[in-house]
Amino acid sequence: GAVVSQHPSWVICKSGTSVKIECRSLDFQATTMFWYRQFPKQSLMLMATSNEGSKATYEQGVEKDKFLINHASLTLSTLTVTSAHPEDSSFYICSARGASTYEQYFGPGTRLTVT
Amino acid sequence: GENVEQHPSTLSVQEGDSAVIKCTYSDSASNYFPWYKQELGKRPQLIIDIRSNVGEKKDQRIAVTLNKTAKHFSLHITETQPEDSAVYFCAASMGPGGYQKVTFGTGTKLQVIP
Repeated sequence: GAVVSQHPSWVICKSGTSVKIECRSLDFQATTMFWYRQFPKQSLMLMATSNEGSKATYEQGVEKDKFLINHASLTLSTLTVTSAHPEDSSFYICSARGASTYEQYFGPGTRLTVT
Repeated sequence: GENVEQHPSTLSVQEGDSAVIKCTYSDSASNYFPWYKQELGKRPQLIIDIRSNVGEKKDQRIAVTLNKTAKHFSLHITETQPEDSAVYFCAASMGPGGYQKVTFGTGTKLQVIP
């Protein structure tokens, strides 16, 4: 099946710094990638959707200047959390989907802790 | 936009019994309904999905039913085992491909008691 990797798997950073998370589709072309945030014991909340080569579409309430998303190729999307604060601590998960498929494939997630 | 409601939020069953999780959706244009199993700290894993042109789908101990008229769909797990314990999410989307985002339910924590 399709494989999506995510790096790093966990990261600790200090308040005010920026963190970049990478999401890669290893064996298929991901025309669309999604970024989710999941707080403990809660559901996945979609943050943004990005198509390769286009600007990301952010969900209501998600600050696009704080959560920078780049989908530069059909196999790579990045999420940069800028000026991170403790309230940004969460589990961030990406997923990827091909052009003509229904199913999305999830990365393993990144645990971000901001101190 | 789409809204997906999921019930119950927690479910405890004895090993060997059946478990049923129900979801409703709001957008009649949704045509793809996946179910995911998520273990603590892990990624969601697709366990079964159904498209709007099908009313029921079964895969071994797992089955999903869809009622388009009522806009609800259900997950049925038979002969539950301790390893079925996890959080289950239903979801709805329009597809295939493109920008069609997936809206998740709130999740059901299933506990199978040995």
